[in-house]
Amino acid sequence: DTEVTQTPKHLVMGMTNKKSLKCEQHMGHRAMYWYKQKAKKPPELMFVYSYEKLSINESVPSRFSPECPNSSLLNLHLHALQPEDSALYLCASSQVWGGSADTQYFGPGTRLTVL
Amino acid sequence: KQEVTQIPAALSVPEGENLVLNCSFTDSAIYNLQWFRQDPGKGLTSLLLIQSSQREQTSGRLNASLDKSSGRSTLYIAASQPGDSATYLCAVRPRRGSTLGRLYFGRGTQLTVWP
Repeated sequence: DTEVTQTPKHLVMGMTNKKSLKCEQHMGHRAMYWYKQKAKKPPELMFVYSYEKLSINESVPSRFSPECPNSSLLNLHLHALQPEDSALYLCASSQVWGGSADTQYFGPGTRLTVL
Repeated sequence: KQEVTQIPAALSVPEGENLVLNCSFTDSAIYNLQWFRQDPGKGLTSLLLIQSSQREQTSGRLNASLDKSSGRSTLYIAASQPGDSATYLCAVRPRRGSTLGRLYFGRGTQLTVWP
């Protein structure tokens, strides 16, 4: 099973709302990633977790708060977002962070709209 | 910093044609290069991964080549079909730098195959 699942598929929220995105994998991968993708642009790395610890934060605003409760699960908590945060949020996983033969497997994404 | 360029940005062809998509990168010190497919509003599907020591990889009608010294990769699609219509992204993993495990993406080639 090489599947990464993400919920919800679509999310519409107001600027004062608090919501969370969820990502799950059961491949035994120990690295998990959050990417943000705007229309017609490549994905931009936001966060990397390695062995449930935050390894990379690409200077993401604090209104995005990642969490890795266990090795299979990755959350992204959202609070006080701006309309420009509307995008496709992609989760990915790989066996380890930084492995030379590593392949990242991507989920289907959550389409977020901030009103 | 690694920069990845994909040419052409868009391609529209009739069914049955053989296609070549191009990817170039500025720093040849890479672990691997990966080609992804992305359907509109969806996640990324890994098509082929070429390790830095390899010259090419094949999967069905797809063939990807890598010339690390010149910083180039091509994705060859044989006998194109309407179902091949999607955006194709190229990504490289650097071998050096502070974020060894991250992927650097090109902006993609948007392919349309019409019947």
